[in-house]
Amino acid sequence: DAGITQSPRHKVTETGTPVTLRCHQTENHRYMYWYRQDPGHGLRLIHYSYGVKDTDKGEVSDGYSVSRSKTEDFLLTLESATSSQTSVYFCAILGSSGPTDTQYFGPGTRLTVL
Amino acid sequence: QKEVEQNSGPLSVPEGAIASLNCTYSDRGSQSFFWYRQYSGKSPELIMSIYSNGDKEDGRFTAQLNKASQYVSLLIRDSQPSDSATYLCAGDSGGSNYKLTFGKGTLLTVNP
Repeated sequence: DAGITQSPRHKVTETGTPVTLRCHQTENHRYMYWYRQDPGHGLRLIHYSYGVKDTDKGEVSDGYSVSRSKTEDFLLTLESATSSQTSVYFCAILGSSGPTDTQYFGPGTRLTVL
Repeated sequence: QKEVEQNSGPLSVPEGAIASLNCTYSDRGSQSFFWYRQYSGKSPELIMSIYSNGDKEDGRFTAQLNKASQYVSLLIRDSQPSDSATYLCAGDSGGSNYKLTFGKGTLLTVNP
């Protein structure tokens, strides 16, 4: 499971409230990612990090912010949740896969915004 | 916009048959390709990776890559009901493996 945990695993919140999702890894991987997965859209990259305090936007970053103050933790924040942010959120790390690296996923967080 | 497209499915095959999953990609610079399996309600799990033209076999799974045609496929031989899942194809971004482009997935059902 690449030593990745996500918390919470399920969350129901109301429109307009702030929400923070946490991704924790135990194997000192440099790259970490946040994706959302929705029916008909597949996996879409929100933000990624390539080191402590180093982050960059993905294709669907509007309405989301991230922080990485420690190698092991990557936080995703929805400043003011909207119903369109109801989704399953996956964290991933870049790990070794034979001669190259690829991404390994955490268990996911199911977020419902009412 | 770099894209990875998969046959939309859903795909249904009888137990013991060969399931064929296909994927095309638009980024000619992509070098590495990956197949993930995702069971309902679970996270994607890496099952195959391929970097060179040709076939790569791992047990009942064979990945095929044709860079000239920008085509990747996954064959599952002797399909089992436990293979029923959504299969995601992914390619690196212009040869940089820290970013992947994912297809939307193909739902495979293997009927006993």
